Amino acid sequence: AQSVAQPEDQVNVAEGNPLTVKCTYSVSGNPYLFWYVQYPNRGLQFLLKYITGDNLVKGSYGFEAEFNKSQTSFHLKKPSALVSDSALYFCAVRDREDSNYQLIWGAGTKLIIKP
Amino acid sequence: GAGVSQSPSNKVTEKGKDVELRCDPISGHTALYWYRQSLGQGLEFLIYFQGNSAPDKSGLPSDRFSAERTGGSVSTLTIQRTQQEDSAVYLCASSLSGFRAGSTLEQYFGPGTRLTVT
Repeated sequence: AQSVAQPEDQVNVAEGNPLTVKCTYSVSGNPYLFWYVQYPNRGLQFLLKYITGDNLVKGSYGFEAEFNKSQTSFHLKKPSALVSDSALYFCAVRDREDSNYQLIWGAGTKLIIKP
Repeated sequence: GAGVSQSPSNKVTEKGKDVELRCDPISGHTALYWYRQSLGQGLEFLIYFQGNSAPDKSGLPSDRFSAERTGGSVSTLTIQRTQQEDSAVYLCASSLSGFRAGSTLEQYFGPGTRLTVT
């Protein structure tokens, strides 16, 4: 069965420091992986996705994520955090060979950037 | 162009009443999804529409929930005889096409409708 784990409910980072939001996944085949961000009282916004090719994927707002097949991880990173990055972050996955169109979503990680 | 819109943004209703939530997807998007998000929780899939195909209703939690999509565009999610456990944010998303095998298209979300059942 497909699954996604975001092991941290909350991550606290000082402004200007690098940030990492963790995501691990489980699929039987090869994954498509996604990160979404949800700002307070807003819908989810697409950040980036991994399909194939380079393991390092760059997305919106300076975020990037690294696909690690051996560790089945897709951690979200940013070299220098901004207070405005404070939001709820969701990782999602689907199996590339699976005809099921549903994304499997992680429970979300609350990112708090302190000035 | 305009994004996904949802109305109302907030709805407070009494237990036992029926409610209708509306979603207007991005023009040209053939796939439409409804999700439910409880406070501090992840997304719970409810229902999926793809073009003129029969919808996938496998995520609907009970027969009190139903959804329609008229003309391949606007969708309404109806909850009959609302219960307190129905209180949540209901999110709608659309994409150019459904996630068929090999498709990678991301979903675009509306701002959600916050439903409170008192």
